[in-house]
Amino acid sequence: ETGVTQTPRHLVMGMTNKKSLKCEQHLGHNAMYWYKQSAKKPLELMFVYSLEERVENNSVPSRFSPECPNSSHLFLHLHTLQPEDSALYLCASSQVAGADEQFFGPGTRLTVL
Amino acid sequence: SQQGEEDPQALSIQEGENATMNCSYKTSINNLQWYRQNSGRGLVHLILIRSNEREKHSGRLRVTLDTSKKSSSLLITASRAADTASYFCATGGGSNYKLTFGKGTLLTVNP
Repeated sequence: ETGVTQTPRHLVMGMTNKKSLKCEQHLGHNAMYWYKQSAKKPLELMFVYSLEERVENNSVPSRFSPECPNSSHLFLHLHTLQPEDSALYLCASSQVAGADEQFFGPGTRLTVL
Repeated sequence: SQQGEEDPQALSIQEGENATMNCSYKTSINNLQWYRQNSGRGLVHLILIRSNEREKHSGRLRVTLDTSKKSSSLLITASRAADTASYFCATGGGSNYKLTFGKGTLLTVNP
């Protein structure tokens, strides 16, 4: 589909669990993003990484912890989530941060029980 | 906020007809982009129009931008059932790293 892959595609977790979402881009891009997409709401930007450095944290609760070990990989570590955190989590990449076109992965559908 | 807002929220047409979706935004922009999303999947970039451009074409897509009215339109000509998806406009980019998305238009093309 695109050069951005996400695993897992579906995740169900309890509020006390700890899990991680993984994103990998095969496009040689320098910037990566996490977005949250909830029903009936616009896509919300969560984090932006440029050359493995976080450049944007869009007032995201600390129960979401991003990690970017290199420019090809991005993780979102989850702990003590709430049911309202259930959503589709989308990863994207672009040539440079703030570049015109972003390439999206297929998303992880997260359900918090 | 630069948030784009699409109109209509939902659109249902017959195959072969044209589909027009509109986007309005509130502040100055560097560019405006349109993305498509099939149900529960990732977004796919369709077309980008810069603030100094008025119209752009890509295949069956035609995008217009009116910066004086802070609005854009996406026209899909000769629609196909496979065009059924949600369509989002996004504004911004540039130095603030952000693309700000609207809530989208759900397009249904009936065979």
